[in-house]
Amino acid sequence: GQQLNQSPQSMFIQEGEDVSMNCTSSSIFNTWLWYKQDPGEGPVLLIALYKAGELTSNGRLTAQFGITRKDSFLNISASIPSDVGIYFCAGRRGAGNNRKLIWGLGTSLAVNP
Amino acid sequence: DAGVIQSPRHEVTEMGQEVTLRCKPISGHDYLFWYRQTMMRGLELLIYFNNNVPIDDSGMPEDRFSAKMPNASFSTLKIQPSEPRDSAVYFCATGRGSTNEKLFFGSGTQLSVL
Repeated sequence: GQQLNQSPQSMFIQEGEDVSMNCTSSSIFNTWLWYKQDPGEGPVLLIALYKAGELTSNGRLTAQFGITRKDSFLNISASIPSDVGIYFCAGRRGAGNNRKLIWGLGTSLAVNP
Repeated sequence: DAGVIQSPRHEVTEMGQEVTLRCKPISGHDYLFWYRQTMMRGLELLIYFNNNVPIDDSGMPEDRFSAKMPNASFSTLKIQPSEPRDSAVYFCATGRGSTNEKLFFGSGTQLSVL
């Protein structure tokens, strides 16, 4: 099935550094979401975006819905060890019956204390 | 709220055996999704229900897979017969109404088929 292009695939950073990751698609999306998965657990929703150009924050996390509606970005400021995990983007194109989410393959984040 | 509850957490079985995975959704959530996660393919949607009715099962790999939701409090995913390539983490996730893109995932079932 279709997947979103998520990059980078993995990151290894020092505690305190800022992190950026992004997600792109060849198709337009109406909704972008960012989830985080801790080891041994299911993904947890971080941020949901619904309008082109929208910029939304959740603590140290900031995500943006790209103007073209074909991409989204997630930034983490001043990383801490508990930011470790896999970050997934997900998008939805339509409404009504076309409500399935399309997922990226994830960005694995490691933080060195 | 207890969240989405999945059982078992881990399942090890032999090829050819029947496997049943269980999910208890969050009360009041009218959408239920079954996902499979592997390193190679990421998160794959297998099937989803709305108000206990299967809406889209196009992601179910083949006839060996079946899913049911007999009531609003319970769903099962069954694999019969199981094969080694079915080894993966299976997640149940639920959502509510018009914001059902905001999924609440269970902790998953790690399935190993030997």
